[in-house]
Amino acid sequence: DQQVKQNSPSLSVQEGRISILNCDYTNSMFDYFLWYKKYPAEGPTFLISISSIKDKNEDGRFTVFLNKSAKHLSLHIVPSQPGDSAVYFCAASEYNFNKFYFGSGTKLNVKP
Amino acid sequence: DTGVSQDPRHKITKRGQNVTFRCDPISEHNRLYWYRQTLGQGPEFLTYFQNEAQLEKSRLLSDRFSAERPKGSFSTLEIQRTEQGDSAMYLCASHFVGGPSTDTQYFGPGTRLTVL
Repeated sequence: DQQVKQNSPSLSVQEGRISILNCDYTNSMFDYFLWYKKYPAEGPTFLISISSIKDKNEDGRFTVFLNKSAKHLSLHIVPSQPGDSAVYFCAASEYNFNKFYFGSGTKLNVKP
Repeated sequence: DTGVSQDPRHKITKRGQNVTFRCDPISEHNRLYWYRQTLGQGPEFLTYFQNEAQLEKSRLLSDRFSAERPKGSFSTLEIQRTEQGDSAMYLCASHFVGGPSTDTQYFGPGTRLTVL
């Protein structure tokens, strides 16, 4: 049972434009959401997080939006840069952080 | 560098052999997690420790898998009688939970296991 889903395996965006990565979840008990970025042969690197009491969190070029009623979150990258090309994973946890559930990832390619 | 470290980075073994991986978490983190990642998938939870106590194990963690965190610091993950299906990236992550601010979960670089 996949509780966190990323339905787009890949996304291609022109440099300077906005990248929007989407993630859906099924468990209404999830309380904390994260985005990770992963380069080949490396572990995932934490990017940005949001708790369920918020609907938006911003950090520089990265903004995460949470729509609890739709059980949907998205990551916006503006402006996109070629160095952003990587696989992006969304993850979710209940309030106790006992387990983190990950989506299958979206491979972002930012073209120069 | 005070991040999460894992050793070895790569391990090639023959089917039926035992392997052991080590994870050194960020020193002040009280939680340590093990995940497995296969090609095209996200990390899958295997188990986690709160200090030295192993508090939860996934159904993915068969009897051939055992994990320890003897002093609440580093952790080891052992796979006995390896099978080809065990080939994957094994990721360790650490996290501080508790107090007025909870840090996030940070990953190590992973150990890539190939079972021939």
